[in-house]
Amino acid sequence: EAGVVQSPRYKIIEKKQPVAFWCNPISGHNTLYWYRQNLGQGPELLIRYENEEAVDDSQLPKDRFSAERLKGVDSTLKIQPAELGDSAVYLCASSKRQGGRFQETQYFGPGTRLLVL
Amino acid sequence: AQSVTQLGSHVSVSEGALVLLRCNYSSSVPPYLFWYVQYPNQGLQLLLKYTTGATLVKGINGFEAEFKKSETSFHLTKPSAHMSDAAEYFCAVSDGNNDMRFGAGTRLTVKP
Repeated sequence: EAGVVQSPRYKIIEKKQPVAFWCNPISGHNTLYWYRQNLGQGPELLIRYENEEAVDDSQLPKDRFSAERLKGVDSTLKIQPAELGDSAVYLCASSKRQGGRFQETQYFGPGTRLLVL
Repeated sequence: AQSVTQLGSHVSVSEGALVLLRCNYSSSVPPYLFWYVQYPNQGLQLLLKYTTGATLVKGINGFEAEFKKSETSFHLTKPSAHMSDAAEYFCAVSDGNNDMRFGAGTRLTVKP
């Protein structure tokens, strides 16, 4: 079974430029997460999708960040314009909803390492 | 809301020595607890998880963790460290509604 796929793996841009990250979750996983991991810290949730619906985007800086998951499969996270403080690793994860109160195991992709100069 | 505190941002052990990585959590509901490992330039990989039932949980690569409700702890242990265990380890807590919070991580160094 293929894991979570992310691209690109690395991205270097100048501040004020736009950037986009792509994620393809594990087949059959209907929940998709985007996390940001700053250096020396744990991942922090940006947005969570259940199928194509964003069910938790409370931590997404909506002035410059946007995300979409149009067909409920792969997803794109965009930053426009990028700022120096956006330098981080952006992780995508997916899980399969099992219903009820149960924390599904999240499977993580390798991440996209963003450097904003 | 739940939260996690990992005691010690860096832990160094000798090869063959006991590994102990500490994690304390805070949760207003019965927690689900996880340990993930992250190797350089890779995503997070699940080591083990506690949901319900037996409080001693065994995971991959010889790791185990024990859920202690009275101490609000979920420490990760391995009897004998191997060089390949060197990585960053993250403890996480969830309320069971897909709201997972991660600790800041502990970097494990294994000395030959």
